[in-house]
Amino acid sequence: GEDVEQSLFLSVREGDSSVINCTYTDSSSTYLYWYKQEPGAGLQLLTYIFSNMDMKQDQRLTVLLNKKDKHLSLRIADTQTGDSAIYFCAEGYTGGYQKVTFGTGTKLQVIP
Amino acid sequence: GAVVSQHPSRVICKSGTSVKIECRSLDFQATTMFWYRQFPKKSLMLMATSNEGSKATYEQGVEKDKFLINHASLTLSTLTVTSAHPEDSSFYICSARDSSSGETQYFGPGTRLLVL
Repeated sequence: GEDVEQSLFLSVREGDSSVINCTYTDSSSTYLYWYKQEPGAGLQLLTYIFSNMDMKQDQRLTVLLNKKDKHLSLRIADTQTGDSAIYFCAEGYTGGYQKVTFGTGTKLQVIP
Repeated sequence: GAVVSQHPSRVICKSGTSVKIECRSLDFQATTMFWYRQFPKKSLMLMATSNEGSKATYEQGVEKDKFLINHASLTLSTLTVTSAHPEDSSFYICSARDSSSGETQYFGPGTRLLVL
């Protein structure tokens, strides 16, 4: 199975908060990332968190990391229709080997 | 922020032909670039890690003779799909790591390949 798991679909109403969850298996991960992919486009890095942090906030985005449970979440406050996209979490490592392992992606649908 | 481009964005080819996809870092130097393949409703799969001036490192299960990678300069890596078959149809995405700014990978917009 996948090393990084996400639920496949999330639907929220415009203006509500969205919470996208992710679990990973490798405790040696150094960085945890959130990427956004809009239809037909590549990936856009939204934010990342070091594995020794619990939380990171960047404007409407809040990342929470529970390292004990290997659980990562992305909260989008005041969700807008432009936030509709697929969100990938990923885990990565420092050092010379820069492999990043992606989750399956969560499709966020924002209902006007 | 850093910009990575891919060319072409979309390509249709006949079965048996070869297709070259270019990945360029436009405003930074990338000693390491990565090639991913995205399957429908599935995650991105890392195909190979491309290091400037040396041979690419392929992930298990990826045929190096079929997916030729060349990283001839600090701003350009190419992926050539040789003797393409319909099952090679996919979305190919490259990423590049800015050598000067740490761990972040910057992704290209992707190339949609359709093999008829």
